[in-house]
Amino acid sequence: DSGVTQTPKHLITATGQRVTLRCSPRSGDLSVYWYQQSLDQGLQFLIQYYNGEERAKGNILERFSAQQFPDLHSELNLSSLELGDSALYFCASSVLTEGTEAFFGQGTRLTVV
Amino acid sequence: GENVEQHPSTLSVQEGDSAVIKCTYSDSASNYFPWYKQELGKRPQLIIDIRSNVGEKKDQRIAVTLNKTAKHFSLHITETQPEDSAVYFCAASWTNFGNEKLTFGTGTRLTIIP
Repeated sequence: DSGVTQTPKHLITATGQRVTLRCSPRSGDLSVYWYQQSLDQGLQFLIQYYNGEERAKGNILERFSAQQFPDLHSELNLSSLELGDSALYFCASSVLTEGTEAFFGQGTRLTVV
Repeated sequence: GENVEQHPSTLSVQEGDSAVIKCTYSDSASNYFPWYKQELGKRPQLIIDIRSNVGEKKDQRIAVTLNKTAKHFSLHITETQPEDSAVYFCAASWTNFGNEKLTFGTGTRLTIIP
């Protein structure tokens, strides 16, 4: 167990719908990353938050948004879902000092039908 | 921004032989290079990492080397075993007072042939 909790583990929804993925980082970790992993693909960086503020943005679609709350948990919102959004979405957290490990949650598998 | 290239994308080796995966990075400011192993359907997990002030690090059958001048780093697995079969990701990271970018390579699917 990495200490990073993601909910739900599985999500099946229809095209056009909106979903929210939730991530609770390890205790003490201020930095949260979101990654998208499509079938047999690599880890595509979406966005990073540090202590409530957006720090870095990757190839995140305008239909996607995220935030980090005062208690440091983070949510990734995906709207107007398309079939191609089906993927495994990982959250990772780290303490964000130089050269520290990022710990991954078990992921949320999103299936858009 | 940082760009990490990883080769090969797939690798098959006989059990007991060695496997080498290579990565290059573009941002000379990167100072931390972790390697993650992802088994089928599971989360990526750190297996070894190296910092920019070190040229080589070893942990049992796994070693990582870093060439800062050439901006490349490699993962070496010796005496491979069936449980080494997985997807391996390299990453490059730099941290500067709350600003950090952790960029992953595209992954290498390693298959150990019994």
